[in-house]
Amino acid sequence: GAGVSQSPSNKVTEKGKDVELRCDPISGHTALYWYRQSLGQGLEFLIYFQGNSAPDKSGLPSDRFSAERTGGSVSTLTIQRTQQEDSAVYLCASSLGPGGVTSTDTQYFGPGTRLTVL
Amino acid sequence: AQTVTQSQPEMSVQEAETVTLSCTYDTSESNYYLFWYKQPPSRQMILVIRQEAYKQQNATENRFSVNFQKAAKSFSLKISDSQLGDTAMYFCAFGRSNAGGTSYGKLTFGQGTILTVHP
Repeated sequence: GAGVSQSPSNKVTEKGKDVELRCDPISGHTALYWYRQSLGQGLEFLIYFQGNSAPDKSGLPSDRFSAERTGGSVSTLTIQRTQQEDSAVYLCASSLGPGGVTSTDTQYFGPGTRLTVL
Repeated sequence: AQTVTQSQPEMSVQEAETVTLSCTYDTSESNYYLFWYKQPPSRQMILVIRQEAYKQQNATENRFSVNFQKAAKSFSLKISDSQLGDTAMYFCAFGRSNAGGTSYGKLTFGQGTILTVHP
């Protein structure tokens, strides 16, 4: 597709359940990012994948959160034993990566997944 | 660590008028980029404008321009001839760059400013 896609668009789950959120980056983009946006707040960095390098996990808020990126393309963010404070919009972005042809590695965002934990 | 502060939670402007959104940041980095993103109710984040910190000239993109004051660590966004479609939440963001001047890695965002354009 032309842009970053995310699924599902909305997810409602019960406290304690596990959820998986999916991100399909723009084809050819080597960098992929996950951010979290709580209601009315700015974006909070979660994790960053760049090519085959070890991911930057410094933003993950707890060990209940994990992410993987298979084959350098699709990424899945998993939240185990969800809590009500996990309710937020989860945004994925991708970029060409620092080896791209432009000096500014612009991040292109998907439409997000709105997660509601009851 | 970097911090980005947007001190205006909400702003409003009449159609066709000009509005300025404020942003300040704090960093010890010498190489970095600054961005303004727009988020309409659709949730889609859209890049509005970007500024390389090593450039003294302020970036412009059609009706959008910035006032970048590096010493003051200030990066404001001016929207001229405001249109109804400009109604959105606007985020200021900071990104690092490597020694070669290429931006990379995570962005640090401000809390956002909700802009409403009135007819």
